Amino acid sequence: NAGVTQTPKFQVLKTGQSMTLQCAQDMNHNSMYWYRQDPGMGLRLIYYSASEGTTDKGEVPNGYNVSRLNKREFSLRLESAAPSQTSVYFCASTTTWGRGANQPQHFGDGTRLSIL
Amino acid sequence: SQQGEEDPQALSIQEGENATMNCSYKTSINNLQWYRQNSGRGLVHLILIRSNEREKHSGRLRVTLDTSKKSSSLLITASRAADTASYFCATDAEYRITQGGSEKLVFGKGTKLTVNP
Repeated sequence: NAGVTQTPKFQVLKTGQSMTLQCAQDMNHNSMYWYRQDPGMGLRLIYYSASEGTTDKGEVPNGYNVSRLNKREFSLRLESAAPSQTSVYFCASTTTWGRGANQPQHFGDGTRLSIL
Repeated sequence: SQQGEEDPQALSIQEGENATMNCSYKTSINNLQWYRQNSGRGLVHLILIRSNEREKHSGRLRVTLDTSKKSSSLLITASRAADTASYFCATDAEYRITQGGSEKLVFGKGTKLTVNP
């Protein structure tokens, strides 16, 4: 049981290059999330997908796009990378319940992205 | 903006001692969660406490919630070197109904705990 799998684990890009971060979960979860983690800033939500076919902006969406490819997969794309996007990116997933019934989120081990 | 704020930012203790971390938040919540992050790894869920609960236990973990003070604490008893990690609280700052419903969490900046052998 792999849980949440992120690829690649490490990546170095030059300013202006594009790339896609991949995320897949095998827990049959409906909701998936992309976060970035910067020193001293905690985790900040970039985009999320409540269910297959829907995506919504989080706290820091500028410079990113997402695709919910199917129930298992949720990708994050940087169209034109900038040094400010140097960060560790985490994907997470969770089941969905009714209002006010948060469930734990399951995280991947992250993609460490450096943009020169 | 950060909903939850952990205190202290860093904590260093000896093995066998208890570790207490605090989390304060700003708006009303439905529930609060605590997560652990080992160096170089993703976050791992520890415990969830609902707004109508005051205390919850899981093994050596004890979480309290005081909604009147908008605060929570995480106590790790008889700490071990393996407890060395960063600990985050997370609250549901906003709920938005879409096709399937979704719960968004807002994370604090974390407390870095070091347990010395």
